[in-house]
Formats: sequence, structure tokens, C-alpha cells
Amino acid sequence: LAKTTQPISMDSYEGQEVNITCSHNNIATNDYITWYQQFPSQGPRFIIQGYKTKVTNEVASLFIPADRKSSTLSLPRVSLSDTAVYYCLVGDGGSQGNLIFGKGTKLSVKP
Amino acid sequence: GAVVSQHPSRVICKSGTSVKIECRSLDFQATTMFWYRQFPKQSLMLMATSNEGSKATYEQGVEKDKFLINHASLTLSTLTVTSAHPEDSSFYICSARRQGFRDNEQFFGPGTRLTVL
Repeated sequence: LAKTTQPISMDSYEGQEVNITCSHNNIATNDYITWYQQFPSQGPRFIIQGYKTKVTNEVASLFIPADRKSSTLSLPRVSLSDTAVYYCLVGDGGSQGNLIFGKGTKLSVKP
Repeated sequence: GAVVSQHPSRVICKSGTSVKIECRSLDFQATTMFWYRQFPKQSLMLMATSNEGSKATYEQGVEKDKFLINHASLTLSTLTVTSAHPEDSSFYICSARRQGFRDNEQFFGPGTRLTVL
């Protein structure tokens, strides 16, 4: 499974756009990129998944360059409730689909 | 969306006792479930992969005789921490993979906080 590298932490203010970049230099052809959000003492929650180019849903956008060696999660107009740890994961699901979590990025949104 | 529940949400037990944690997929069938452990301020660490009707696959360094996993049905997997000790105190999270759904998307339970005295 491809290893991922993310910033340990980020700070932002309410209403700003936040971009969290994840590096995955060894991503394989069959790998998807998935982002999860985790609040303290809760299980992770799926945010978005993509394979290439751009994916957008009701909560976020995911930008993936052509070489797929990195990806950027974009959160528009964050609020205090977006304070959480964000994990970038890379894998192909496979027959087992096990996910290996990296250290994640702790996002702190301030008023 | 798919819902995964865990029971209990938190448990306190004495050292040497065994604790069972249940993980249920409430509105879908999951042939594969996963168990993670998370220590304070750390990331999730995969412990084992639970397959319905067969033995679980444990990650390196996880004692299979200490962490017993049973996946008896398509909606239920259990993790039993046997002879628990204070160092087993942690946040245990399960997830379930929904067949035929987005690749790599797993639905996570709310977690179980285990405290061993």
C-alpha cells in the first residue's frame, strides 16, 4: 500500500477555504485516493474519494494532478465544526480492502 | 447511508478480565469487517481483518490469542480482549466494507473506549 505524507497540523479561521495536501509518491495504477475526517472519540467519517482530476461533493473537493503523486483536499468556507483530524489514504480496495492510516492532519478552525 | 454500530460505547474492567466488543452493520451486509485500535493523539492502527465464516487475518504484532475475533454473520463481528491489562486501554474502532460500493470506502463504527484498571 502506498505511503502518504500530510502536514501534521494546520490552522485556519472561520469562513476561509482550507487546502490540505497529501503526498503519495508510490501510488499504484489501481489505487484510489480517499479522505476521512475524525472527531475526538469518534470513528472516521468518509469525506471524498477520487482517482484523477477533480471530484466535488457537497462537503469538499478533491484535486488530483495528472501524475497522481499528490492530492489536495479543499474545504470551502470552514466553520468551527470542521476542527478535526483529516486522513488521506491510498489503496485499491482489493479483495480485503484494508486501509492503512497515516498520521493525519489536525485542522484547527478559529473564530 | 450505511450505518455501523458498536456496543458498548465505553467499558471499564478490572485487570485480568475479558471484554467483548460488538460491531454491527445495521443496513447492509458486510463480508469483511476491520478492527482498529487508537491510542490518544495517535492514528488508527489496523489490528485485524475479519471475514465472515472464516478465521480473521491479524496484522503483524497483534496477538491473535489475546484479541479474539469472531465474524459469525454478515452483520456482526465481535472482538474479545482476553485477560485485559492496563496497556490494552485504548479506543477500539470497527469498520465494515460494503460490497459493490465505492472502492476503499469503509463505514466506521463510533468506537469503544476500553479502560482497564
